[in-house]
Amino acid sequence: DAKTTQPTSMDCAEGRAANLPCNHSTISGNEYVYWYRQIHSQGPQYIIHGLKNNETNEMASLIITEDRKSSTLILPHATLRDTAVYYCIVRVRGTYKYIFGTGTRLKVLA
Amino acid sequence: DTEVTQTPKHLVMGMTNKKSLKCEQHMGHRAMYWYKQKAKKPPELMFVYSYEKLSINESVPSRFSPECPNSSLLNLHLHALQPEDSALYLCASSQEAMGVEAFFGQGTRLTVV
Repeated sequence: DAKTTQPTSMDCAEGRAANLPCNHSTISGNEYVYWYRQIHSQGPQYIIHGLKNNETNEMASLIITEDRKSSTLILPHATLRDTAVYYCIVRVRGTYKYIFGTGTRLKVLA
Repeated sequence: DTEVTQTPKHLVMGMTNKKSLKCEQHMGHRAMYWYKQKAKKPPELMFVYSYEKLSINESVPSRFSPECPNSSLLNLHLHALQPEDSALYLCASSQEAMGVEAFFGQGTRLTVV
């Protein structure tokens, strides 16, 4: 199974960009990278996903390296409400198995 | 409607009780999932249903019994649980296709006493 590794925790000043890295060096060619966040034991909330190209939506941007072995989630202007655990996930090839990484606890500071 | 609804939100049960968790979605998704999450840990996959058939069982003990009676509904039947089974149980659903996101419910907080 493809695995992901993330830093345990990060701090970010309110209003600044938060850059959350993820390593997925064993990812296969047709596996997507997904990002979710979980606020205080609520259900995980979908943020963004991508395959090869960089992606942007109203919440965030996703930058995937050319070799696809790592990616970075960018929250362009972090707010206090972005404080959460952010999970990088690779779906196992050919299955509907979403395997969560250990997650990064992001704390946005006022 | 992009909602996955889980009931109950909280459940306390004794080790000899039988209870069920319920999950419902009306997005037409044909893949549905149960995850278990212990405190300060990531969600762990338990079961995946695809077109109402069990397609993945992550070696979950038989005291957890999933059921998918129709395409909108997913149940998790609980029997003879242990205190260490206390956790947040999350349901999710997705379309049956690659490159699509899964939607999660808010979870059922289960305490086994």
